[in-house]
Amino acid sequence: KAGVTQTPRYLIKTRGQQVTLSCSPISGHRSVSWYQQTPGQGLQFLFEYFSETQRNKGNFPGRFSGRQFSNSRSEMNVSTLELGDSALYLCASSLGQENSPLHFGNGTRLTVT
Amino acid sequence: QQQVKQSPQSLIVQKGGISIINCAYENTAFDYFPWYQQFPGKGPALLIAIRPDVSEKKEGRFTISFNKSAKQFSLHIMDSQPGDSATYFCAASFYSTFIFGSGTRLSVKP
Repeated sequence: KAGVTQTPRYLIKTRGQQVTLSCSPISGHRSVSWYQQTPGQGLQFLFEYFSETQRNKGNFPGRFSGRQFSNSRSEMNVSTLELGDSALYLCASSLGQENSPLHFGNGTRLTVT
Repeated sequence: QQQVKQSPQSLIVQKGGISIINCAYENTAFDYFPWYQQFPGKGPALLIAIRPDVSEKKEGRFTISFNKSAKQFSLHIMDSQPGDSATYFCAASFYSTFIFGSGTRLSVKP
């Protein structure tokens, strides 16, 4: 079974621009979650989508948004990029049921200059 | 109440030794406690997980000990190997919400 695939692996953007990250979950997984990982803050939860609906949301500004398509693939968008948005963005998929473990992709490394 | 506190931040162990990482939580609604292992350039990978109705779970050299009354759980790595050098994250979950600890960077010296 193929794992979680995230594209692109690396991105360099300029402050003020916007960016879209993509995630393809494991086949059969209906839940996709996004996390921001930085050295100082660890893994911070952004949001979770289940069957195309946002089910949970973390404490991030509205510049961070996401969506999920009918095939469970998900995209995350960050508008008006700030230097502090530089991070590794991780996508995780799961069955979305109680106690279903998360399966992470290898992330997209975003650098904002 | 949503936090999961993990310690130590970093750990150096000799090959063959025991590595111990501790986590504590506050919210008693958490009912699933996984540990993840992350190597540089990779995403976290599920290592082992436990539910609160069990006090200990062992898989190979990895053991989770769970103390429900103290709201603490720990990961023990027996016979630690240089290949175990990675960052370890504990997590606590209720339904599909996961809260992660801040991570422990383990270095196993040959």
